[in-house]
Amino acid sequence: GNSVTQMEGPVTLSEEAFLTINCTYTATGYPSLFWYVQYPGEGLQLLLKATKADDKGSNKGFEATYRKETTSFHLEKGSVQVSDSAVYFCALRLRTNAGKSTFGDGTTLTVKP
Amino acid sequence: NAGVTQTPKFQVLKTGQSMTLQCAQDMNHEYMSWYRQDPGMGLRLIHYSVGAGITDQGEVPNGYNVSRSTTEDFPLRLLSAAPSQTSVYFCASSYSTSGSDEQFFGPGTRLTVL
Repeated sequence: GNSVTQMEGPVTLSEEAFLTINCTYTATGYPSLFWYVQYPGEGLQLLLKATKADDKGSNKGFEATYRKETTSFHLEKGSVQVSDSAVYFCALRLRTNAGKSTFGDGTTLTVKP
Repeated sequence: NAGVTQTPKFQVLKTGQSMTLQCAQDMNHEYMSWYRQDPGMGLRLIHYSVGAGITDQGEVPNGYNVSRSTTEDFPLRLLSAAPSQTSVYFCASSYSTSGSDEQFFGPGTRLTVL
């Protein structure tokens, strides 16, 4: 079956620190990969995505590269801000699976001033 | 566009009661889905729909029913609430079933079953 494994949290960083959240996947097919972010009390929203191998998704200073050879999609940001404190979800989606998505368990990030 | 809307925002039920969580989208999206979010368990798919009149079960469908009579609306019915159904429920939609389409999420309904 399909699965997504995320780095366990919570993660606590100081402002301006470098962030990496690891994500690996298994899939019966060729998935698209997504990072979603959830701020407190809100629904998930798309942060970035990549639809084929070696694609790099980027948004708001966050980046992730689709690595087919290592089945990974790690999220990085060079300098985090307090406003980046949120829960981050890695997800995959397959058209061949009726468009169903599979989500990781989420990683809680807290950034301290 | 309002995007994906959900009502109510909060609900408390007693064991055995039934209720319907409402979900609507105004983006003419083909695909809609319901998830529950429990601490440390990510999002689990309850039911989904690939178009009006078509629904199917997800990962955790027991105790829930859905229907999709219009493109816009996708209500989730709890038949006889149980404490195990205490959770945060999210409705989501996407333009199609294409794997590359992002999903748009509603703000969630926080349900407590006593």
